Amino acid sequence: IAGITQAPTSQILAAGRRMTLRCTQDMRHNAMYWYRQDLGLGLRLIHYSNTAGTTGKGEVPDGYSVSRANTDDFPLTLASAVPSQTSVYFCASSESGLAGASGELFFGEGSRLTVL
Amino acid sequence: AQSVTQPDIHITVSEGASLELRCNYSYGATPYLFWYVQSPGQGLQLLLKYFSGDTLVQGIKGFEAEFKRSQSSFNLRKPSVHWSDAAEYFCAVGAIDGNKLVFGAGTILRVKS
Repeated sequence: IAGITQAPTSQILAAGRRMTLRCTQDMRHNAMYWYRQDLGLGLRLIHYSNTAGTTGKGEVPDGYSVSRANTDDFPLTLASAVPSQTSVYFCASSESGLAGASGELFFGEGSRLTVL
Repeated sequence: AQSVTQPDIHITVSEGASLELRCNYSYGATPYLFWYVQSPGQGLQLLLKYFSGDTLVQGIKGFEAEFKRSQSSFNLRKPSVHWSDAAEYFCAVGAIDGNKLVFGAGTILRVKS
């Protein structure tokens, strides 16, 4: 089934450890995004990539980094995790951004991260 | 910068009753507007979207939304709620010249039988 795959689905992590959340899409979408979801705050954009080889900062980028070496993969790295990064992380993709015909975001099922 | 307000954190309706979820946005130009639904443990799924044209848009699962520029609103409606509609609903606004969506905090819908 085409879509977005995130891994791991859940992880408990000690503060100070490095962690990479993986995201792979098989829809050949140009744009990819990482959001974090926190109760009462909705989804907040961490980083995005309009196309392979480019990335940009979203609303809450501090403490996170991303790379986009190819179209399909968009990993999110926490270099040194802190408890405030406890959240549910969603990867998403879109064909060509909102200016395109669809504008729809397709979401993965999320990665629940707990930092102790 | 754009922003979205969903005034209701929780809403409870009886099965078969009508539903309206409120969404107000702030944006200086004509926005792209979306409603997404999230079932427990799942990612978000698009219900409907407004780009231009008819201000009343139809979506999946019997939902509709009306864009009212004068009120900066994009409220979601359904004439008769089903128990399977229990979920969290997110309104989102995007800039025409960008490709990033800003989401509201969400409204949790509970359906009682």
